[in-house]
Amino acid sequence: EIVLTQSPDFQSVTPKEKVTITCRASQSIGSSLHWYQQKPDQSPKLLIKYASQSISGVPSRFSGSGSGTDFTLTINSLEAEDAATYYCHQSSSFPLTFGGGTKVEIK
Amino acid sequence: EVQLVESGGGLVKPGGSLRLSCAASGFTFSSYSMNWVRQAPGKGLEWVSSISSSSSYIYYADSVKGRFTISRDNAKNSLYLQMNSLRAEDTAVYYCARAPSGDYKEWYFDYWGQGTLVTVSS
Repeated sequence: EIVLTQSPDFQSVTPKEKVTITCRASQSIGSSLHWYQQKPDQSPKLLIKYASQSISGVPSRFSGSGSGTDFTLTINSLEAEDAATYYCHQSSSFPLTFGGGTKVEIK
Repeated sequence: EVQLVESGGGLVKPGGSLRLSCAASGFTFSSYSMNWVRQAPGKGLEWVSSISSSSSYIYYADSVKGRFTISRDNAKNSLYLQMNSLRAEDTAVYYCARAPSGDYKEWYFDYWGQGTLVTVSS
């Protein structure tokens, strides 16, 4: 099973600040890494697919990078509506796995 | 507009059974692989099971293998999860989620339902 380790677990950020969340895979997964945003009491929403590919309708301040075992989700110029928990997910092999999540709080 | 609506959740005793359904609309259901993902209260996301568009490929998490069965009825645009021998640790919100194609190689989730809560307790 491929284990995804996210860091940090929690981040408190001021609006307009830049946020960086990392996801490390226990073995190489190429670019089969995806990011989701889950706001309180809502279903998860796809933000980034295949490490760096943007999703229609997702604000351009969200971007992803990385390949192999190390990946990053960046939120440029954080907005209040970005308060949420962010999860990485690998689809390289079954069982599909998620990272533990990173909760982003707005100061 | 893609819509996924789960139903069938509720309170069940340990050892009991429950069948979840997911009604799909707004897309050609028979062309897409489908998935179940769960989230225990206050916890993170956990993948449960996946099924390809024609049911040729089916996968389960080890935690549910032998107890849960995923199926689909393309004529009814519906996805199902039969859950048997339920345990307290199966308590979670269960989400139905669409994969971006019917291809057995693509297994991320581009649309999610609102979820249905399953509580296993005596």
